[in-house]
Amino acid sequence: QVQLVESGGGLVKPGGSLRLSCAASGFTFSDYYMSWIRQAPGKGLEWVSYISSSGSTIYYADSVKGRFTISRDNAKNSLYLQMNSLRAEDTAVYYCARESVAGTLGYWGQGTLVTVSS
Amino acid sequence: QSALTQPASVSGSPGQSITISCTGTSSDVGGYNYVSWYQQHPGKAPKLMIYEVSNRPSGVPDRFSGSKSGNTASLTISGLQAEDEADYYCSSYTSSSTGVVFGGGTKLTVL
Repeated sequence: QVQLVESGGGLVKPGGSLRLSCAASGFTFSDYYMSWIRQAPGKGLEWVSYISSSGSTIYYADSVKGRFTISRDNAKNSLYLQMNSLRAEDTAVYYCARESVAGTLGYWGQGTLVTVSS
Repeated sequence: QSALTQPASVSGSPGQSITISCTGTSSDVGGYNYVSWYQQHPGKAPKLMIYEVSNRPSGVPDRFSGSKSGNTASLTISGLQAEDEADYYCSSYTSSSTGVVFGGGTKLTVL
């Protein structure tokens, strides 16, 4: 069955960096667009970034543009999110999700918590 | 401020029906039939309940239904059950550079 497992979260100081990973299994990873979505404590969902199946098309939310970089390794069935210049407002649970068509997120990982604090 | 507008909370008694609205613009909800609804229980990942306005993924009870009129989409849950108590989020494809927008979420309380 489809499984998405995020890792790499943790506590980081403002201005620091973190790299999240999402290991995919149970489907042909290279066939699907993938997204990162985050949820600040007690808040709603915020779409962060998505990447096409080949990696040729990438979009970012304005709130992370220029600081975050999404990438994928289809040979390793893995999705990544490099987060630089982290701010307190980036504190959230970060989910990776598989997109089926036009923003439909059919499968989600369990999430990884990123805390930005001094 | 979220791109799509949902009521903060709704409530209903077991067996009743409730409807959650999701209002956007012609650039998102009104312009495309790519509205999704997600259910999220506390501490859990969101789960897709409705896609492309009114389609249910396999395994989702037919008590859950979706519709759209103009710039407003709706999720209806009939025959409310205790396990339906959760947060519900709508999302839509958007023609803006972000690609996907979410609503602010609605907390459903089963009385």
